[in-house]
Amino acid sequence: GAVVSQHPSRVICKSGTSVKIECRSLDFQATTMFWYRQFPKQSLMLMATSNEGSKATYEQGVEKDKFLINHASLTLSTLTVTSAHPEDSSFYICSARGAGQNYGYTFGSGTRLTVV
Amino acid sequence: DAKTTQPPSMDCAEGRAANLPCNHSTISGNEYVYWYRQIHSQGPQYIIHGLKNNETNEMASLIITEDRKSSTLILPHATLRDTAVYYCIVSSSYGGYQKVTFGTGTKLQVIP
Repeated sequence: GAVVSQHPSRVICKSGTSVKIECRSLDFQATTMFWYRQFPKQSLMLMATSNEGSKATYEQGVEKDKFLINHASLTLSTLTVTSAHPEDSSFYICSARGAGQNYGYTFGSGTRLTVV
Repeated sequence: DAKTTQPPSMDCAEGRAANLPCNHSTISGNEYVYWYRQIHSQGPQYIIHGLKNNETNEMASLIITEDRKSSTLILPHATLRDTAVYYCIVSSSYGGYQKVTFGTGTKLQVIP
């Protein structure tokens, strides 16, 4: 089946620094990738959608300059949290969907970001 | 986007069938119903999906009402490992691609 690899699984960074999270589709080409954020005991919140080779589409209320998304290839999307602050601490999850996939969306294992 | 509503929590005895309902009364004709589950601190895991007909796979069965306004996920013999948050979602079309938004889900607790 389709596999999405997300790295790192956990990261701790200092306030004011930037963190990059990678999301790779291992056995299929992901034309579209999604990034979610999840706070404790809450549901997943869609942050942005990216199509390979084009700019990401951000959901309302998500700062595009703070959460930089790059989808430069059909197998890799990255989310960079710039100038991270403690309130950015959360669980970030990516999801991918390939062209022609008819069984839904494949999710990564998530990244636990802690900003200290 | 179509919205889904699910009960916040359910209990099920181990070995019994778990029936998880979902309402999606504003679903469009070309939208699929997907079910995922999330075990603590992991990414969501795909379970099953359907459009109109009932579906079954090795994990579960999906029953969709004729008017498509609601569905039920059935785990035929629940085990302790099925304890998780279950999300019912519908796909939506936006600008040529489909995005998925999550509701609050149902926290299923399987009891020994």
